[in-house]
Amino acid sequence: DVKVTQSSRYLVKRTGEKVFLECVQDMDHENMFWYRQDPGLGLRLIYFSYDVKMKEKGDIPEGYSVSREKKERFSLILESASTNQTSMYLCASSPSGRTYGYTFGSGTRLTVV
Amino acid sequence: AQKITQTQPGMFVQEKEAVTLDCTYDTSDQSYGLFWYKQPSSGEMIFLIYQGSYDEQNATEGRYSLNFQKARKSANLVISASQLGDSAMYFCAMREADGGATNKLIFGTGTLLAVQP
Repeated sequence: DVKVTQSSRYLVKRTGEKVFLECVQDMDHENMFWYRQDPGLGLRLIYFSYDVKMKEKGDIPEGYSVSREKKERFSLILESASTNQTSMYLCASSPSGRTYGYTFGSGTRLTVV
Repeated sequence: AQKITQTQPGMFVQEKEAVTLDCTYDTSDQSYGLFWYKQPSSGEMIFLIYQGSYDEQNATEGRYSLNFQKARKSANLVISASQLGDSAMYFCAMREADGGATNKLIFGTGTLLAVQP
């Protein structure tokens, strides 16, 4: 009954590597989001997408990019991973419309060494 | 700028007692939505309850209720009859006023609730 799937639960990468975090939803939602979660800081929005090939920066986009080639898939890319990008990454999706909350994936805990 | 504030980093509650988790928000928008999510230690975020700014009644979902005080800009979550399984991180969130339908949410920093037997 999983509706938002993140490809990896745990990842360990080296500094400078290019990292891809994948997220797939099967609910035909228009909107998809990437957040990072850090202790004491809550969830902060990195990027979001409201349609295929459309993307907008969130509050902390530096060091990240995204790709949405198909409606169901939203990828987060760390062009050159750094230790300060060690974090929990959460993907979410929602339908269009302002009364809907999010459905979240189970998260990817990324460690950059 | 819109902001969500959760001032309780952590709380204890005895099993079977009620507990209130505080949330205040700041917005100049007249139309907004408030959400509460639960995050157990497993990491997934679970939607609990929603309150619209024009809703006259406080939202309720089972043991969860939202104490919405619009003039004070507060949206506290009340959990009645706490259970051990309620031990988790709880996040308050507000739909950001972006004028569109993208439904961006901004989140507070969370409150870690520990239910004691």
